[in-house]
Amino acid sequence: DADVTQTPRNRITKTGKRIMLECSQTKGHDRMYWYRQDPGLGLRLIYYSFDVKDINKGEISDGYSVSRQAQAKFSLSLESAIPNQTALYFCATRDRNTEAFFGQGTRLTVV
Amino acid sequence: GESVGLHLPTLSVQEGDNSIINCAYSNSASDYFIWYKQESGKGPQFIIDIRSNMDKRQGQRVTVLLNKTVKHLSLQIAATQPGDSAVYFCAENFVGSSNTGKLIFGQGTTLQVKP
Repeated sequence: DADVTQTPRNRITKTGKRIMLECSQTKGHDRMYWYRQDPGLGLRLIYYSFDVKDINKGEISDGYSVSRQAQAKFSLSLESAIPNQTALYFCATRDRNTEAFFGQGTRLTVV
Repeated sequence: GESVGLHLPTLSVQEGDNSIINCAYSNSASDYFIWYKQESGKGPQFIIDIRSNMDKRQGQRVTVLLNKTVKHLSLQIAATQPGDSAVYFCAENFVGSSNTGKLIFGQGTTLQVKP
């Protein structure tokens, strides 16, 4: 089993719909991150969390929210999806000052 | 072959040549840096890292160089192989008054290896 699992892997949704992307990890790490990847723009940080009670905004948090349900689970929500949120989304986890481990990504299309 | 900063998105090299991928990072207080490789359809995979108290670190066929004076990081790949074709990202562990621990990525460089 993968250390970092994202569900779903692919999703097509309509404008205005609420959608949740889920991430779970078996690494036992405290730190979890959500990134968005668009062509030519690399990985941009949406939200990050250092523990269940600690949630921090990244560079592009507008239009997104997160929930850290447990140490191992970190979900990303789009309350009202819009087409420019079409992107590849990655969850990552790490210990302090170590490399991050990434999930396989969720490809989201908003039509 | 060599890329310059984050503004040259593609580097094309001949198989067997050495590759140099460059990255300019943003925060002089960042204390830890990582290089990732991303193949099509996959998540980023760790290649090598370096802490700010070092200026060079070597792995298998890869070397990372850190120049804190000019906030520059490079990844050198020796004897580049077709399997090295991918997008390469640098990342910095951001250190600041309220946002220590952010992991910020550069735009990435696409490495194309010609047979």
